[in-house]
Amino acid sequence: QKEVEQNSGPLSVPEGAIASLNCTYSDRGSQSFFWYRQYSGKSPELIMSIYSNGDKEDGRFTAQLNKASQYVSLLIRDSQPSDSATYLCAVSNFNKFYFGSGTKLNVKP
Amino acid sequence: EAGVAQSPRYKIIEKRQSVAFWCNPISGHATLYWYQQILGQGPKLLIQFQNNGVVDDSQLPKDRFSAERLKGVDSTLKIQPAKLEDSAVYLCASSFADHAGYEQYFGPGTRLTVT
Repeated sequence: QKEVEQNSGPLSVPEGAIASLNCTYSDRGSQSFFWYRQYSGKSPELIMSIYSNGDKEDGRFTAQLNKASQYVSLLIRDSQPSDSATYLCAVSNFNKFYFGSGTKLNVKP
Repeated sequence: EAGVAQSPRYKIIEKRQSVAFWCNPISGHATLYWYQQILGQGPKLLIQFQNNGVVDDSQLPKDRFSAERLKGVDSTLKIQPAKLEDSAVYLCASSFADHAGYEQYFGPGTRLTVT
């Protein structure tokens, strides 16, 4: 079992729609959770971090964390073609940092 | 604030040759990470330094890979001898925290091709 699981996609959404990206993790001791965006040929870029249960909003992005279900998600509102990228979920138990394989998002104009 | 710097950006070598990568983290960041990212996969941790000490190198192929962090700042990652399967992007990241629970910021990476 992988520490962090993501659907590889691609997830295709039309421009202006909400994109929903999901991630599950196996370590119940995980304390911090991150979403990174990675454009093709580029390095990962931090979008959001979340440390407690519930929602955290930053502009068009909302991260949602449910520790009981070991589930973290990222919602992108009003999706734009420029949001087309691979989204990496990362989880840490303060000793180890694990990345998922990423979900590829395509936003169609 | 300057970001994480890496060099070179690209490197092509033949198998069995050696190669070295350099990373300069964000100023004041205590923790430095080296990752290997193969196309289509997430970053795989190779080694984690806290200041100039190694915290985790469990996934570093120590028969061919070595790394050091000089005076708790710059770091180099070396591969000797390289194999075809080492073709990947090598990413350096740094974090302000002295543990693995805080945001990491990545450099631009070094794309290595082994022929």
